[in-house]
Parts: sequence; C-alpha cells; structure tokens
Amino acid sequence: DAGVIQSPRHEVTEMGQEVTLRCKPISGHNSLFWYRQTMMRGLELLIYFNNNVPIDDSGMPEDRFSAKMPNASFSTLKIQPSEPRDSAVYFCASSFYSLGGSQSYEQYFGPGTRLTVT
Amino acid sequence: AQSVAQPEDQVNVAEGNPLTVKCTYSVSGNPYLFWYVQYPNRGLQFLLKYITGDNLVKGSYGFEAEFNKSQTSFHLKKPSALVSDSALYFCAVRSGRGGKLIFGQGTELSVKP
Repeated sequence: DAGVIQSPRHEVTEMGQEVTLRCKPISGHNSLFWYRQTMMRGLELLIYFNNNVPIDDSGMPEDRFSAKMPNASFSTLKIQPSEPRDSAVYFCASSFYSLGGSQSYEQYFGPGTRLTVT
Repeated sequence: AQSVAQPEDQVNVAEGNPLTVKCTYSVSGNPYLFWYVQYPNRGLQFLLKYITGDNLVKGSYGFEAEFNKSQTSFHLKKPSALVSDSALYFCAVRSGRGGKLIFGQGTELSVKP
C-alpha cells in the first residue's frame, strides 16, 4: 500500500492567496483526519471525517479554513485567504472505524505539507 | 473528557542505556492507548498500542510500553537506546466516534553516543 498521500509537500504563498492542500487516504480506510503542527501549539486536530461526513470541525481555527471529502479516496483542506500565522505543517491521517467493532483505530499519517505564508 | 499528558518535554539518555518516556491518561471506560514517533521532517509513525490483555505491549524498533491501570500510565520503554531513536514521541488515547485520537504534547528524546 502506498500509505497516505499528501500534496503538495511544500507550499509557499503570499498573504491573501488561496491555498488548497490535498490528501488521499489509505484504501479501505473510512476515517480521515486533518492536523496542524507548529512549534507553539504542537499537534492540533482541525477536523475529521467518518464515511465522508464531517464529524467534528471544532478545531478549525476560523471561517477562512474549510475542508471537504467528496469521496472515500480524496479530501481537501482550503485556506482562503491565507495569513502568515497559518504557516505550519499540515498532516492528513486515515484509519478504519467500525461502530461496535473490535478494531483499534490506529491512525496512519501522511508525510505532511509544509505551508509558508509570506 | 479523555486526555493524555506527557510530563517531560525532553528526555536525555546515553546510548546503550534503558530509556523511558512517560505518559499518563484520563478516560472514561476502557482505554485504547497508542505511541507514535516523529522523525525530523516526517509524519507520525505508529509504534504500538494497548487495547486489552497483557499489560506489556511490544512494538516496532524494539520499543515496548507498560500499561498500568492503577496509576493510569502507559510509559514507553526500550532496554537499550540507540542514537537513531532520537525523535519526538507522542502518546495518544482514543476518544469518541470515528476513531479520533487525543495526543499528548510530545516528548523530545535525545540519545547521545
């Protein structure tokens, strides 16, 4: 399996521009998570989906951030407009979840997208 | 609410010595606990998990973790540290629907030759 795939790996943009980060989860996984990592705040969960439905978006910083999961194999995280304080590494992770099942739900992380907003 | 704490920001160990990275948790119900490692400029990698059964769990790269219910702890251990073990280590606990994990703040492990 190729693992979780994220693109781009690096993104440099100017303040005010729209940024779109992409994620392809592991085939067969039905939960997808978007995280942000910074030195100041550590690892933060932004939003997660189960069966393509957003379950909890309470970690999304503000309305400039939006996420979609149009199908089981693709998700996007969009920032519009971007600001310098959005500079961080953004990770996507996936896992398999079954209500009442015995799975342990470990998440598998992608390599991350390093976003720099100038 | 579920939570996890890593009381040490940094742990320093000499190569060849045993290492311990501490984690305590707070959950309602049975805990599902995890350890992850992050090498520089990489994503988090799953190391091991505790779901049920034996309190000593073995994982990747020679790591193991000991689940202690009375102390609500899940410390990561390795009998003999390697320089290549130097990385950032995260403890996590499962929380809620959809497989959400609550992560600790991370512990930087530094192994010196």
